[in-house]
Order: sequence, then C-alpha cells, then structure tokens
Amino acid sequence: DGGITQSPKYLFRKEGQNVTLSCEQNLNHDAMYWYRQDPGQGLRLIYYSQIVNDFQKGDIAEGYSVSREKKESFPLTVTSAQKNPTAFYLCASSIWRGRFYGYTFGSGTRLTVV
Amino acid sequence: QKEVEQDPGPLSVPEGAIVSLNCTYSNSAFQYFMWYRQYSRKGPELLMYTYSSGNKEDGRFTAQVDKSSKYISLFIRDSQPSDSATYLCAISSAGGTSYGKLTFGQGTILTVHP
Repeated sequence: DGGITQSPKYLFRKEGQNVTLSCEQNLNHDAMYWYRQDPGQGLRLIYYSQIVNDFQKGDIAEGYSVSREKKESFPLTVTSAQKNPTAFYLCASSIWRGRFYGYTFGSGTRLTVV
Repeated sequence: QKEVEQDPGPLSVPEGAIVSLNCTYSNSAFQYFMWYRQYSRKGPELLMYTYSSGNKEDGRFTAQVDKSSKYISLFIRDSQPSDSATYLCAISSAGGTSYGKLTFGQGTILTVHP
C-alpha cells in the first residue's frame, strides 16, 4: 500500500542536541511538507519542498533544517537552536487532484525534550 | 488576527446528536475548503472538500461554505462514538501551478459518548 512512513514514533531529545526525524513516501508525490502540531494551535508549516533539491521555509522555520535529495525522502532536523521543540511533528505529501491539492499525512513523530 | 479561526471546543455530545463545527477566515482569496479528521496519535485524513458556496453532503457529513460571510461549517448527523476525533478545517488559495499551501484552523476535539 502507498503511504507516508514517519520514524521514529516517539523521540526524546536532550538539551542542546540535534535530532533528525525521518519521512519517506512511496506515493510518487512531488511536494512534501513538515508541520508542527501543538495543543490548541492547529498545524503550522515548518518547511515544504516542491521538487528534489529545492525547499522553502514555512511559517515557523527557525531552529529547523531539511534536505530533499530524493523524491521519496524529506528528513527534518530539529537543531539546538529550536528552544521549544516538544511537539507532534507531521510529514505530508500532496498531489494535484484537478481542483485542489490532496494531502496525505504520516502518523507523526512525538518529540519530547528531556 | 489569524487567517483561519476555528471554534476550539472541546465538544462533548451524546450518541445520535447533530454536531456543528465551525471556522471563519479572513482572506477572500481562499477558494478551497477542506475538513480533516484526526484520531488520537495519528495523522489527519481528508474528510470532505468543497470549493464553492453552498452545501455538500457525503453520508452523515455535510460541509457548508458561505463565502460572503467567510464562514465554513461541518455538520455531522447521527453522531457515533467512532466520530470522536479532532476535526481541522483547512483552507487554500492555491490551485493550478501553485504548491498548494494549506492554512489550518486550531482544531476542535469532539467526543461522542454512548
């Protein structure tokens, strides 16, 4: 079955540590996204990528970095510069469905600072 | 002012009740309106989408858009315990060649108790 795989499901980060969240899709979608979800704040866009080797900052990119070396993969690194990283992180991909972009989301990674 | 405001809830209703979930938006350029359902510790799934004013029905779900008031609603008839989830409105001004950025509401947590 096609879909998006995020790993790990749970991740614990120590203060001052960089961590990388994995996102892989086998849907052949061109565009991929990273969202952060906090209670009561909905989903906020961190980074997005429309094609391989190109990505753009979203609304809350500070303290995060991404790469897009392969169409299938869009890893997110949470750096030590991100002061409040505890959140639920969602990866998504999208395809044009004639009138709108249909999004497929992964199951998320819950990151906790310890 | 946020671009999309969603009634935060939480909402708790008895089984069989009619549920109304609501969002308002500020940008008249928004053209595509979606509702996502998110179960606990999972990624959101597309429930319904519409792009014009009026009503769209799908089984027990009705999506309503009023562009003149910049107001969208999701109605759930004969609600079931399995409808218990977080519901997110999502709005886009994109289409065609754009990458399809979605702007999400804060989400409403719905609990349907037997």
